[in-house]
Amino acid sequence: QQQVKQSPQSLIVQKGGISIINCAYENTAFDYFPWYQQFPGKGPALLIAIRPDVSEKKEGRFTISFNKSAKQFSLHIMDSQPGDSATYFCAALIHSMDSNYQLIWGAGTKLIIKP
Amino acid sequence: DGGITQSPKYLFRKEGQNVTLSCEQNLNHDAMYWYRQDPGQGLRLIYYSQIVNDFQKGDIAEGYSVSREKKESFPLTVTSAQKNPTAFYLCASTATGALNTEAFFGQGTRLTVV
Repeated sequence: QQQVKQSPQSLIVQKGGISIINCAYENTAFDYFPWYQQFPGKGPALLIAIRPDVSEKKEGRFTISFNKSAKQFSLHIMDSQPGDSATYFCAALIHSMDSNYQLIWGAGTKLIIKP
Repeated sequence: DGGITQSPKYLFRKEGQNVTLSCEQNLNHDAMYWYRQDPGQGLRLIYYSQIVNDFQKGDIAEGYSVSREKKESFPLTVTSAQKNPTAFYLCASTATGALNTEAFFGQGTRLTVV
């Protein structure tokens, strides 16, 4: 119930196309859903995040779509560029009673944008 | 400028040796984490610490040890008991209690057993 399932494992998209990465979860106690971007040899960095009270959040070419009833959320990258080639991780955050919290990570998607 | 510093970037270890990976942060974050990343794999939690002098095991703690004597520092020791230590190790920190909490990661340490 603590898992976040991410798909696909890898994705190849032509330059200018739309990249879509999907995540699904079971635990309805999750209350924050970030996406992280990781370039080879580097640590992940926060890209965009959403809370479950909104269905969509857009920042530039990056959009999170959130479907609370289906317990799914996805990352859309519009006009994909070679510089977007990276590994993308979805995550879900759950708070505990003592104000601490835990981030549960998806397995990651390796995205390659072909010029 | 603020951030997380991991050292060294590359580390080679002989079989049977213990090695210690350094992680230092100047973000004044209470919580720190160690993750292991294998090729094509996600992030697996090794240990985490929410406060100084306290830490908890993550999903894959066997063969690893940590200490948290200072808020800024959370070193990870990979012991000889870790059967397959070759991996990319990431340290992260977060501010506890916040609602929108961003995890800040270091640049990672790539450990290779030779």
